[in-house]
Amino acid sequence: KAGVTQTPRYLIKTRGQQVTLSCSPISGHRSVSWYQQTPGQGLQFLFEYFSETQRNKGNFPGRFSGRQFSNSRSEMNVSTLELGDSALYLCASSLWRGGRQETQYFGPGTRLLVL
Amino acid sequence: AQKITQTQPGMFVQEKEAVTLDCTYDTSDPSYGLFWYKQPSSGEMIFLIYQGSYDQQNATEGRYSLNFQKARKSANLVISASQLGDSAMYFCAMSLGGSQGNLIFGKGTKLSVKP
Repeated sequence: KAGVTQTPRYLIKTRGQQVTLSCSPISGHRSVSWYQQTPGQGLQFLFEYFSETQRNKGNFPGRFSGRQFSNSRSEMNVSTLELGDSALYLCASSLWRGGRQETQYFGPGTRLLVL
Repeated sequence: AQKITQTQPGMFVQEKEAVTLDCTYDTSDPSYGLFWYKQPSSGEMIFLIYQGSYDQQNATEGRYSLNFQKARKSANLVISASQLGDSAMYFCAMSLGGSQGNLIFGKGTKLSVKP
């Protein structure tokens, strides 16, 4: 079974631009979460989607948004990019079985550099 | 406040020896899960092992075992017979309640295995 895939893998943008990152979960996984990883702040939770609905949201400004499609694929968007948005963005998917959410499996990440 | 603490920024271990990576957690929620992930330099987070707060026995997965001491709020990872490929960052993480889609991560420990 294919793992979580993320596109693009690398991205360079300039301040003020916007960016859209994509995540395809493991087949059958309906929950998708996004995390930001920076050297200074470490790994921080951005948001979680399940069946096209946002379930949880981390403490990030409104410039960070996401959505999930009916096929469980998810996108996250960052508008008006700032230098501090340079990070590795990780997507993870998980299965719900018997009313219980199981372990998250991560994709390879998208490395975003903002100049 | 919910928090994961990893006090060892870096560790060295000789190949074929065992190593313990420390993790302490803080939560007042009686239901939680504890995870260990490995992150090689490529960036992908690889799931290693999971321990639920109500699990009576320590979790084991191959060469990985989780030393769960609930009263001390610790969840140390033990890697037996270290291999060169074990060199990576290791993250301890916690989920709360029934939701595993929102993980709280520690700062990580960089493990280096010496030949």
